[in-house]
Amino acid sequence: KAGVTQTPRYLIKTRGQQVTLSCSPISGHRSVSWYQQTPGQGLQFLFEYFSETQRNKGNFPGRFSGRQFSNSRSEMNVSTLELGDSALYLCASSLSTARGELFFGEGSRLTVL
Amino acid sequence: DQQVKQNSPSLSVQEGRISILNCDYTNSMFDYFLWYKKYPAEGPTFLISISSIKDKNEDGRFTVFLNKSAKHLSLHIVPSQPGDSAVYFCAASTGTYKYIFGTGTRLKVLA
Repeated sequence: KAGVTQTPRYLIKTRGQQVTLSCSPISGHRSVSWYQQTPGQGLQFLFEYFSETQRNKGNFPGRFSGRQFSNSRSEMNVSTLELGDSALYLCASSLSTARGELFFGEGSRLTVL
Repeated sequence: DQQVKQNSPSLSVQEGRISILNCDYTNSMFDYFLWYKKYPAEGPTFLISISSIKDKNEDGRFTVFLNKSAKHLSLHIVPSQPGDSAVYFCAASTGTYKYIFGTGTRLKVLA
């Protein structure tokens, strides 16, 4: 079956702009998580959604937001971009992430100039 | 506060030998641990997991050991193959729908 699909794969923005990233989970998976990967920082948890409800949120500023639609697809938005937001943004889907395997997409690489 | 630490940024191993990747954690509430492998320009892929009620889990060439008293996790790969060259991440969860990842160890298997 198809894996987790993230779009766009690459994008370049300038400081102050906003960006929206999209994630389509594996069919049947209702949980979607977002992680930020930067060099030397590993993967930092952003938020997790299940059935359109945010169940947990990481320690990121309010500029980072997300949502999940009724078909389980998810989007995350970053407003007022800063240089430090340059990173690989990874989406993962799961049947349930309380204790279970996360299936990751290939990521969206954001560069902020 | 880095609750999950991978103190070795890189590791080189000869093909056919054992690779041992280590992970330490500070939160005693973690009860589920996973290892992921990541190639460049790809998302992480799941390797193996272990629950805190166990101290060992095997899957083919991969074995994960958990030492709860030391708050230490290790991944053994035997035998190591060139295709195992990648960045390895350990991750831990308390069952709150989020995973805390380490910073990764880059493994290079030399042919």
